[in-house]
Amino acid sequence: GAVVSQHPSWVICKSGTSVKIECRSLDFQATTMFWYRQFPKQSLMLMATSNEGSKATYEQGVEKDKFLINHASLTLSTLTVTSAHPEDSSFYICSASSGVPNTGELFFGEGSRLTVL
Amino acid sequence: RKEVEQDPGPFNVPEGATVAFNCTYSNSASQSFFWYRQDCRKEPKLLMSVYSSGNEDGRFTAQLNRASQYISLLIRDSKLSDSATYLCVSNAGGTSYGKLTFGQGTILTVHP
Repeated sequence: GAVVSQHPSWVICKSGTSVKIECRSLDFQATTMFWYRQFPKQSLMLMATSNEGSKATYEQGVEKDKFLINHASLTLSTLTVTSAHPEDSSFYICSASSGVPNTGELFFGEGSRLTVL
Repeated sequence: RKEVEQDPGPFNVPEGATVAFNCTYSNSASQSFFWYRQDCRKEPKLLMSVYSSGNEDGRFTAQLNRASQYISLLIRDSKLSDSATYLCVSNAGGTSYGKLTFGQGTILTVHP
């Protein structure tokens, strides 16, 4: 079946540094990918919709200058957390559709756990 | 009001028990619905889609009532391996397809 892979699966960084998370669709082309964030004991919250070849669409309350999203190809989207702070520590998960609108199954990456010291 | 609301739980049940989870959604434009399962520190995995006619997959039965904007999941003959967080999820349709809205999740613990 279709697989979405994220890297890194976990990362620890110092406050003020930037961290890049990659999301790849391994055996299908994903024109749209979604980025979610999950804080401990909370549900997943959509951060942004990543569209190949165009700017991402951010949800209300998500800072686009802090969470940079690039979707340069049909198989890769990246999320960069810029100038990370401890409150950015979270579980970041991407998802991608297998293609056909309104019927394609959605696949999730394994998630990336970010800890900012 | 949250767009997707679930029983907060937690549910602690013995092996073999039947347990039911409820979920309501507020966006009447939502096109499709799912139950996902999430294990601790892992990504969500699709358990089953939910259809208006009701659907069953082994020990799991899901129901959707569009008029009441209500979704349910029934687990029969609970196994220890069913212990997880169950997420009720809606999917906007059309050009927003794939934009999932998650409920807060219901924690299930099945004990011996």
